[in-house]
Amino acid sequence: NSKVIQTPRYLVKGQGQKAKMRCIPEKGHPVVFWYQQNKNNEFKFLINFQNQEVLQQIDMTEKRFSAECPSNSPCSLEIQSSEAGDSALYLCASSRGQNTLYFGAGTRLSVL
Amino acid sequence: AQSVDQPDAHVTLYEGASLELRCSYSYSAAPYLFWYVQYPGQSLQFLLKYITGDAVVKGTKGFEAEFRKSNSSFNLKKSPAHWSDSAKYFCALVNQGGSAKLIFGEGTKLTVSS
Repeated sequence: NSKVIQTPRYLVKGQGQKAKMRCIPEKGHPVVFWYQQNKNNEFKFLINFQNQEVLQQIDMTEKRFSAECPSNSPCSLEIQSSEAGDSALYLCASSRGQNTLYFGAGTRLSVL
Repeated sequence: AQSVDQPDAHVTLYEGASLELRCSYSYSAAPYLFWYVQYPGQSLQFLLKYITGDAVVKGTKGFEAEFRKSNSSFNLKKSPAHWSDSAKYFCALVNQGGSAKLIFGEGTKLTVSS
């Protein structure tokens, strides 16, 4: 069973509403990734962190998406103004930095 | 550009048969390759990886994969298949350029009939 904890499992928002999801990485894993898996099972990399620092993020996240991984608190991914196209499974993964990613159960976002 | 291709969207076979899920990749350097499995309604579970060394790597749940540099493939195998292996399987490549993010293939949905 995954030791990456994601909450909530399900999130329902109206268009324009804020959506926030959280992730607690596996203990001892300094690297955290966020991916979006759409209904066609395509994975889109969003952002990753090493400790609290952003390693890389795609352009999309710089507009409506924001993410952080503060020390001693869960990591979070927030969508400021949800759109229908944001409906997807959001996956958090953590790694010791040795390339193997371990995924959480995901947060399924539905934007009505 | 780096990419992963899984040419078979669906594979169906009977329990007890041998399974082989195909994966090919495009990468300019030595690849780090992975297989993950996703059961319905669940997240991705790590099966195995190839970093270096022996071309055949063994993973969890009785799976193994063979790295073939000659044709840029990393096919997943198991014999015999069991009905509980029914799931979606994803092959992935690590982008080693700084961020170490995974690049996934489109996935292969495996159905094993009992």
